[in-house]
Amino acid sequence: TQLLEQSPQFLSIQEGENLTVYCNSSSVFSSLQWYRQEPGEGPVLLVTVVTGGEVKKLKRLTFQFGDARKDSSLHITAAQPGDTGLYLCAGHLYNFNKFYFGSGTKLNVKP
Amino acid sequence: DTGVSQDPRHKITKRGQNVTFRCDPISEHNRLYWYRQTLGQGPEFLTYFQNEAQLEKSRLLSDRFSAERPKGSFSTLEIQRTEQGDSAMYLCASGTSSGGNIQYFGAGTRLSVL
Repeated sequence: TQLLEQSPQFLSIQEGENLTVYCNSSSVFSSLQWYRQEPGEGPVLLVTVVTGGEVKKLKRLTFQFGDARKDSSLHITAAQPGDTGLYLCAGHLYNFNKFYFGSGTKLNVKP
Repeated sequence: DTGVSQDPRHKITKRGQNVTFRCDPISEHNRLYWYRQTLGQGPEFLTYFQNEAQLEKSRLLSDRFSAERPKGSFSTLEIQRTEQGDSAMYLCASGTSSGGNIQYFGAGTRLSVL
């Protein structure tokens, strides 16, 4: 059983559509990160959220950390083919020196 | 700043052979992490160093796996007597104690055990 559950696992949409990816857990995190990974490459950090209820925006991407710091969402507006990739969330637990990753959401944006 | 560097990028080996991977973290990053990622999954934590001290080690890391960071800079991950189940992407990440738990990943080493 994974500490962080991501949904959906796969998402195939048309260019211009909106989408939301969810990252859920029963554990409380000190911080949570979102990454994007392309095939054959390492994950690239998109954002870190630290405060419960925090909302961060990165161009067309909006990230939210749940009030209870157990869940997070990533919303993409007007998706573009360049957004295609594997989106990963990773949580850092208090007093632990490691990050727990979700299994990822594979996004395909068709032109 | 050249980012986190991993070498080699790809390694093909026969079952039973030993392999060693190297990670060069971002200069002056005192934290270093190793992860393993299989196809369709997120990275799984293997081990964590703060400077030269190995502070945490996953139960996933069997006796065949060993990691070192002798001078608190680069790190090596060795797998002895490789098995087909060891085939995966091995990722290294680095960060700083004052960096708010942010980690920066290398491009990884893809291991294929035949």
